[in-house]
Amino acid sequence: DIQVTQSPSTLSASVGDRVTITCRASQRISSWLAWYQQKPGKAPKLLIYKASSLESGVPSRFSGSGSGTEFTLTISSLQPDDFATYYCQYYNSYSWTFGQGTKVEIK
Amino acid sequence: EVQLVESGGGLVQPGGSLRLSCAASGFTFSNYWMSWVRQAPGKGLEWVASIKQDGSEKYYVDSVKGRFTISRDNAENSLYLQMNSLRGEDTAVYYCARAKWLAHFDYWGQGTLVTVSS
Repeated sequence: DIQVTQSPSTLSASVGDRVTITCRASQRISSWLAWYQQKPGKAPKLLIYKASSLESGVPSRFSGSGSGTEFTLTISSLQPDDFATYYCQYYNSYSWTFGQGTKVEIK
Repeated sequence: EVQLVESGGGLVQPGGSLRLSCAASGFTFSNYWMSWVRQAPGKGLEWVASIKQDGSEKYYVDSVKGRFTISRDNAENSLYLQMNSLRGEDTAVYYCARAKWLAHFDYWGQGTLVTVSS
């Protein structure tokens, strides 16, 4: 089975900071990788799909990149509304796997 | 507006059964794969099961195979999850989610809490 490792598990940052979250796969995977944002008590929200495509309505400060075994979510300038937990999610052959999550906290 | 509304959660004893429902509106339900994703208290997200548009294909995470059954009623725009032989580790918020291009989840319900405890 392909293992997906998300890092860091917690990230402390300030408003205006550039933030990067990484998902690494144990072997080369396709570009069916997505990123979600989740706030406490709420359902996850799709931000990025197919590694680098921005979901409709999502601010352009969010971007995704990567291929092969390493994928990143970048927030170009962290805003107060962005403090949340972020998950990557990978799809392969009728199996859907989430990363462990990254909590973005106020520094 | 796309809406997914789950119901059916609650407290159940270990070994018991529960049936979750998800009412869909605002889109052509029969055109989409649908899934259940769960989240244990304080933990991350875990995919549980998915079903093809016509119900002909169903997939499950290993930990629920043989115990959970996903189904759908396209005439009623509804998704279901029959959960049998429930265990403590099944305690979680269960989300209904619509699949985008099969691979990802673009709309989610608000979730329904299932607690398995004696």
